[in-house]
Amino acid sequence: EVQLVESGGGLVQPGGSLRLSCAASGFTFSNYWLHWVRQAPGKGLEWVSRINSDGSNTSYADSVKDRFTISRDNAKNTLYLQMNSLRAGDTAVYYCARQSKYGLDWWGQGTLLTVSS
Amino acid sequence: QSALTQPPSVSGSPGQSVTISCSGTISDVGSYNRVSWYQQPPGTAPKLMIYEVSYRPSGVPDRFSGSKSGNTASLTISGLQAEDEADYFCISYTSSSTFVFGTGTKVTVL
Repeated sequence: EVQLVESGGGLVQPGGSLRLSCAASGFTFSNYWLHWVRQAPGKGLEWVSRINSDGSNTSYADSVKDRFTISRDNAKNTLYLQMNSLRAGDTAVYYCARQSKYGLDWWGQGTLLTVSS
Repeated sequence: QSALTQPPSVSGSPGQSVTISCSGTISDVGSYNRVSWYQQPPGTAPKLMIYEVSYRPSGVPDRFSGSKSGNTASLTISGLQAEDEADYFCISYTSSSTFVFGTGTKVTVL
C-alpha cells in the first residue's frame, strides 16, 4: 500500500529554520514527481513546491521562493523541505503528496509547523 | 499567483445536485486541462475526486463529475449524500509552471 509519512514539524521561532521529511513506501519512489502543500489552521490549501522524479527540476510558490528548498533522496525514498527565515504566516500543517497522471493521488497525514516566539 | 475563486459554501438536501465553481484566468484554468478537485472532510488529508477536468479515479462514485468552460471549472455532485459533506478544493497548473489551489468550498448536506 502507498504510504507517505511526514515528520519534522514543531515549534520554531520567527527567523528560524527547520527541515521537514516525507518517507515514502509502497511504490517506486524515483518514478514520481512530488509536492508539498500546506494548510494554515482553519484555512484552505496552499501549494508550496514541486520536484521532478530525479530532483533536477523544482518550482515554488512566490510566498516561499528563496526561503524554502525542496529536495529528495531517491535512495532513501524520502522527500525533504528545508525551510529558512520562517515567519508566523508559515504556520500550517504541511502535507507531502505524490503526483501521478491522475493528479495528486496520494497524500500523507501532514506535520504541523508552528512559528511563534 | 492569486488563489482560484470558489464560493465559500454550497448546500443541498439529500438527493439534490450541487455545483461548485472554480474561477481562474487565462494563465491557469483557461489554458490547461490540468484541473483537479479534492475532497477534505474535517481533520483529514485531501482526497482526489476528479483529475484533468472531468476524469474520476477508480473508486470515486459517478455522482461526482467535472467540467470546464473558459476560465472556470466546475464540480457537480449529483444525488447528494450525507457522506459528501466536506470541504472541496480545486487546483490548476499555471503558465509559471506552478500550481494554484482554489479558496475552498464547504458543502453542507441539509
